[in-house]
Amino acid sequence: EVQLVESGGGLVQPGGSLRLSCAASGFTFSSFEMNWVRQAPGKGLEWVSYISTSSVTTLYEDSVKGRFTISRDNAKNSLYLQMNSLRAEDTAVYYCARVGGYPDNWGQGTLVTVSS
Amino acid sequence: DIRMTQSPSTLSASIGDRVTIACRASQSISSWLAWYQQKPGKAPKLLIYRASSLESGVPSRFSGSGSGTEFTLTISSLQPDDFATYYCQQYNSVSWTFGQGTKVEIK
Repeated sequence: EVQLVESGGGLVQPGGSLRLSCAASGFTFSSFEMNWVRQAPGKGLEWVSYISTSSVTTLYEDSVKGRFTISRDNAKNSLYLQMNSLRAEDTAVYYCARVGGYPDNWGQGTLVTVSS
Repeated sequence: DIRMTQSPSTLSASIGDRVTIACRASQSISSWLAWYQQKPGKAPKLLIYRASSLESGVPSRFSGSGSGTEFTLTISSLQPDDFATYYCQQYNSVSWTFGQGTKVEIK
């Protein structure tokens, strides 16, 4: 069974940093492109970042460019999102999502709250 | 960026009704479109991919159609478990974009 489990969320002050993790199991992680998607409280879904299978290609939504870094460790079956210079508007549930020809599996999400 | 526009934003319907939600892309995305159902506090659940392919385990009352820029999600006979928010998503480009959502409420 495919499983994606996010962790690392929490309360952080504006300007602070947080590193999210997504642990993958039940499939060959290194063969799949991965994404992060977020959802602010009461709002819709917003794509955040993409990483290719070998980490050669990474892409970011404009508002997080230069602040967030996506990475992966295929040996550990893990996806990461390093978030720096956090702002109140980054408050959201963050989901990792697998691309198996189409976005076929999502994790349950981890909540990031940016507040003083 | 490809903009996705859903309509309506809110829909009131009764059990047994046929429900249709529209999604329009700002440029052609071929059939690279997915539909999701989301309930409060839960992750989005994939219903339809490639515009009209039913994800495994999803009831057959859900169907999708369209290509290019115009797409539709149809629920043939609304059930109590279907009251939720629905999103369309394009994955024609690597930088995904989503519709703003359609909340299906009890009439």
